[in-house]
Amino acid sequence: DTGVSQNPRHKITKRGQNVTFRCDPISEHNRLYWYRQTLGQGPEFLTYFQNEAQLEKSRLLSDRFSAERPKGSFSTLEIQRTEQGDSAMYLCASSLALEATEGYTFGSGTRLTVV
Amino acid sequence: RKEVEQDPGPFNVPEGATVAFNCTYSNSASQSFFWYRQDCRKEPKLLMSVYSSGNEDGRFTAQLNRASQYISLLIRDSKLSDSATYLCVVRDTGRRALTFGSGTRLQVQP
Repeated sequence: DTGVSQNPRHKITKRGQNVTFRCDPISEHNRLYWYRQTLGQGPEFLTYFQNEAQLEKSRLLSDRFSAERPKGSFSTLEIQRTEQGDSAMYLCASSLALEATEGYTFGSGTRLTVV
Repeated sequence: RKEVEQDPGPFNVPEGATVAFNCTYSNSASQSFFWYRQDCRKEPKLLMSVYSSGNEDGRFTAQLNRASQYISLLIRDSKLSDSATYLCVVRDTGRRALTFGSGTRLQVQP
């Protein structure tokens, strides 16, 4: 499979627990993005990496959220002390910097339910 | 005011119909424009980029009006398989992040 891969597909957690999601982008893509989508809304930008550098973060990314891309390949998104409002689909996407008007390729997402 | 606004629909149309979706964006510095398609409980997929001169891809035509900050998508000869949510997307100058509208739901009926 050469697409964007996200794990796990689903995660149910109790409020207050920490969760970590993983994203494996398309191998030649140097840009990686995290988005969050709730029911009836479009995806909302969280953060963006070019290679291993985190270049942009949304104000939506509170101090409970942290993302890493340690070797410029896969990325992890951790949410600490989860709250019910964190329940959403977390989408990862990747793109290639050389494409002048590039759109993204999204992964299938991780659906988080906080109970 | 939302940065990207779309009519949520749903648009219910018969097979073979022509349907048009509109979208407005608030930031005049927006640089790149796209339409994405999202099927129920699936990830968004790029349908087409939108160029200043307008562009067509088969049954799909996208147009951009920078002066009015308005983007449109026209679907001709609708198929049942076109049923989905269509997301209007913009990228602002100097940013990599995309800003998505909330989507317009299309239901094509037999």
